[in-house]
Amino acid sequence: AQSVSQHNHHVILSEAASLELGCNYSYGGTVNLFWYVQYPGQHLQLLLKYFSGDPLVKGIKGFEAEFIKSKFSFNLRKPSVQWSDTAEYFCAVNARGSSASKIIFGSGTRLSIRP
Amino acid sequence: EAEVAQSPRYKITEKSQAVAFWCDPISGHATLYWYRQILGQGPELLVQFQDESVVDDSQLPKDRFSAERLKGVDSTLKIQPAELGDSAMYLCASSFAGSPETQYFGPGTRLLVL
Repeated sequence: AQSVSQHNHHVILSEAASLELGCNYSYGGTVNLFWYVQYPGQHLQLLLKYFSGDPLVKGIKGFEAEFIKSKFSFNLRKPSVQWSDTAEYFCAVNARGSSASKIIFGSGTRLSIRP
Repeated sequence: EAEVAQSPRYKITEKSQAVAFWCDPISGHATLYWYRQILGQGPELLVQFQDESVVDDSQLPKDRFSAERLKGVDSTLKIQPAELGDSAMYLCASSFAGSPETQYFGPGTRLLVL
């Protein structure tokens, strides 16, 4: 069975600080990996995704994530955060190749940015 | 831009009462998902439909929860009777058939059971 671990429950940063949110997954096969973001009062939306190819993927709003297969990790990064990045971030995984494969979400990391 | 619609946005009920949530997916999306998101946790899939058929309901508490998508378009999730532990956000999402990796989420219905 697949599982996703996000080790940071709540991260507090000042504006312009660099961000790295950890995500590790557990699954023996090939996976698709995702980061979703939920801004206060808004829908859950896709930030970026990795299916195959270059393990460094770039998403919206300056975010990027690196897939390290040997570490089963898919950490989210941003070099300089803004106050508007305050949100909850969810790492997720699904097994590749199955049309019925469900997405498994991590428990989320709440990011608070001090202006 | 097309969106997944959900109603109501908020629902307060007393335990043992029945509640129902409605979802209208993006037009053309054959696959519809209902998730439950408990405060402090990530969304957990309750049920997945492909058109009008249930594909996965392994995490749906079938003694009290039911879901239907009779015409393969909009869907209703029902809880009867509601329990205190059902307080959560109920999210609906949709995707094209065969593309579970590209889901679009609705705004959710926040349920509070008193």
